[in-house]
Amino acid sequence: GNSVTQMEGPVTLSEEAFLTINCTYTATGYPSLFWYVQYPGEGLQLLLKATKADDKGSNKGFEATYRKETTSFHLEKGSVQVSDSAVYFCALSGGSARQLTFGSGTQLTVLP
Amino acid sequence: DSGVTQTPKHLITATGQRVTLRCSPRSGDLSVYWYQQSLDQGLQFLIQYYNGEERAKGNILERFSAQQFPDLHSELNLSSLELGDSALYFCASSVGTGLGQAPYEQYFGPGTRLTVT
Repeated sequence: GNSVTQMEGPVTLSEEAFLTINCTYTATGYPSLFWYVQYPGEGLQLLLKATKADDKGSNKGFEATYRKETTSFHLEKGSVQVSDSAVYFCALSGGSARQLTFGSGTQLTVLP
Repeated sequence: DSGVTQTPKHLITATGQRVTLRCSPRSGDLSVYWYQQSLDQGLQFLIQYYNGEERAKGNILERFSAQQFPDLHSELNLSSLELGDSALYFCASSVGTGLGQAPYEQYFGPGTRLTVT
């Protein structure tokens, strides 16, 4: 079946540091890949997506590239801000209903 | 604001009871997905409806059921509740997908936090 393995957290960085959160997946076929963000007390918000190999998703300074050869979709940001503190989930869309399979989530804390 | 609404926001109930969680999808979205988020299991897909019909089931217990009504809102019914059912329940909606359709973005509601005591 489909699965997503995500970098263990928590991750603590200083403001303006570089961020990488690793994500690898196992899936049949050609899934679409997503990063969702969850701020405290809120639902999940779509951060970025990629629908085919070599696609790069980007939003709000975050980027991730769909690497089929390494089955990876690592999230990166060049300079994090305190407001980026949240839980980040990597997910893939697969199955007949295109339901999402999520990784375990990575808690990011950015210190001023 | 995603446009997906869920009620109630919080629910506290006792073991053995039954509760109903409600979700209204974004205007124009035909699909509703239900997910459970718990500390030990993470985020798990429960069930999906598309335009009133059940399309896919995930790790949904037999004590749980759902339906989607003609106005496209959905309800998740949880019965014979156990302590382990305490979790955040999210609803998400998307324009698709019926069978064979490409994946569409899913928009999540704020969730219902269920506490079983």
